[in-house]
Order: sequence, then C-alpha cells, then structure tokens
Amino acid sequence: AQSVAQPEDQVNVAEGNPLTVKCTYSVSGNPYLFWYVQYPNRGLQFLLKYITGDNLVKGSYGFEAEFNKSQTSFHLKKPSALVSDSALYFCAVRDRVSGANNLFFGTGTRLTVIP
Amino acid sequence: ETGVTQSPTHLIKTRGQQVTLRCSSQSGHNTVSWYQQALGQGPQFIFQYYREEENGRGNFPPRFSGLQFPNYSSELNVNALELDDSALYLCASSLDVGSTDTQYFGPGTRLTVL
Repeated sequence: AQSVAQPEDQVNVAEGNPLTVKCTYSVSGNPYLFWYVQYPNRGLQFLLKYITGDNLVKGSYGFEAEFNKSQTSFHLKKPSALVSDSALYFCAVRDRVSGANNLFFGTGTRLTVIP
Repeated sequence: ETGVTQSPTHLIKTRGQQVTLRCSSQSGHNTVSWYQQALGQGPQFIFQYYREEENGRGNFPPRFSGLQFPNYSSELNVNALELDDSALYLCASSLDVGSTDTQYFGPGTRLTVL
C-alpha cells in the first residue's frame, strides 16, 4: 500500500518569509501526489498535484511543490507567507483499495504564520 | 469553493441510532468518495461510488453503507452508531474514477455520537 508521512505537526513562520511544509512518500509504482489545505470548520481545498513531468508543480494561492524522486519527498513551498495561509495542510498519495483510486492522507501539518 | 455540498452541517445522535449523510457532487462529476476524519487526524477512506455502483471500500465495517443516485449525488448511512463514529465526514467528487483525477471535497458533516 502507498503511504505518506508529514514529519512536522506544527510549522511556524513569520509573515513575508518563505515557508516549507514537508512530506515524504512510500509507493510502489508511479507516485501520484496531492496537497490539500483545511481551514477551521471547512472541508479540504485542493492546492496542487504531481502526476508526471516537471518536478516543480505550481498550484493555487501562490503555492508550489517540488517532487524529488531520490529523496521520495514532495515538499510544499511558498516564497512569501501570508497570515491568511495559517491552516492545516495535508499531503496525500493516490492509493488503490479494492479497486478504488482513493487518497491516503498524512496526519497533517498545522501552519501558523506570525504577523 | 468547490461545487460539492453536504448536508446536514452538524448532527448529534446517540449510541445505537442510525444516521444518513448526504452529498451533492460537482456538476459533471460521476465519482463520489467518502472519508472519515477523526479529530486531529487525516481523512480515512470509507468507500467510493462510480456510476451508482460501489467501486471500492476501505477498512470500515458493513454498518457503513452508501448509495449513489442517477444524478450522482450520494448518501452515507451508518447503522448502530458507536462513540468512535464521532468525526467529520467528508465527501469528494471527481470527474471520473481514474487515478489522476482530482478529488474535490465538500465542507463536511460533523457527527457527534453521545
């Protein structure tokens, strides 16, 4: 089965500084990787995905992620953090359970951007 | 915001009762997946419906069941509720059932079992 790990429960960054939220994966075959963000009392919002091609994936709200096959990582990045980026971030990998192409999620990283 | 809607927003039930949660897919999407998100955890896959048929199931007992209707809306039914069923239930729709298709999530239904 596929899996992802988010090694940091909490990341704090000052407003205007670059941010990184880490994710590593373990898959057999080609990895299909996703990032979602969850604001309080809301569902998950899709940010970006890596399927194939360019290792740098650009997504919504100025976020990007770098796919690194040798390090089995898919870290989420943003050049300049905003206070409004404070939220819970989930990395996910496409899994296949009894025929379904579902998502296997990490445990989440809470990002706090300090004004 | 995605076009995925869920109802109700919140629900309180007692142990042993039954509950039905509803999900309306984004227009044009024929696949719906349901997830359970316990407090402080990532979402866990319950099952998926594609063109009104169950297309796969995660590690959840049979008292979790579902339906998908011809308009691709969906229901999640949970029988014999247990305290551990308290969670945020998320549905996600996708254009198709393929492995590269993006799943778009609704706002969720918060279920509390007392």
